[in-house]
Amino acid sequence: NAGVTQTPKFQVLKTGQSMTLQCAQDMNHEYMSWYRQDPGMGLRLIHYSVGAGITDQGEVPNGYNVSRSTTEDFPLRLLSAAPSQTSVYFCASLTNDRRYTFGSGTRLTVV
Amino acid sequence: AQSVSQHNHHVILSEAASLELGCNYSYGGTVNLFWYVQYPGQHLQLLLKYFSGDPLVKGIKGFEAEFIKSKFSFNLRKPSVQWSDTAEYFCAVSNSGGYQKVTFGIGTKLQVIP
Repeated sequence: NAGVTQTPKFQVLKTGQSMTLQCAQDMNHEYMSWYRQDPGMGLRLIHYSVGAGITDQGEVPNGYNVSRSTTEDFPLRLLSAAPSQTSVYFCASLTNDRRYTFGSGTRLTVV
Repeated sequence: AQSVSQHNHHVILSEAASLELGCNYSYGGTVNLFWYVQYPGQHLQLLLKYFSGDPLVKGIKGFEAEFIKSKFSFNLRKPSVQWSDTAEYFCAVSNSGGYQKVTFGIGTKLQVIP
């Protein structure tokens, strides 16, 4: 098992650009989520999904879209990047014993 | 809504000192509790978790945590820290049963001085 794979690892965007952060897992986990990590704020939930075709908003969903067409993939789309979206993004899936397996993260800078 | 409070944001200890990191949560129902660790430049990894049963939970690398229901607390402890324990530690809570959102605390940065 490769676990949770995130791409890219680093990205620089200009304000107003759009992009998709990719997340894939090969463990057949139903529950997946996206978090952003900012200094002094811990991890905040952006969106989550309880299975293919089902997504819902977390604490900080504005400016982000998600879809879940397959169990394996859970991409996060930034519609129009803003400097406030500069952050480290983690994708995670939930194991059968209810612990998170995290991807290695995407460090995004919006200039 | 559930929330997690970590009291110490930055802790500095010498090697061999004992560690206790505070964590309090608020939620009206039955909870699952977690401690995750993030080593510099890496992603989060699970240290230990509590779902039910013995309130004293032992995790990896000599860490343990005690769930005290009356105090809504889940403090992390280690009797003797090492330089390799330098990392950021996150307490997390979810309500039990099914697929539930996990809420993280803001983290405690631990620096261990050789």
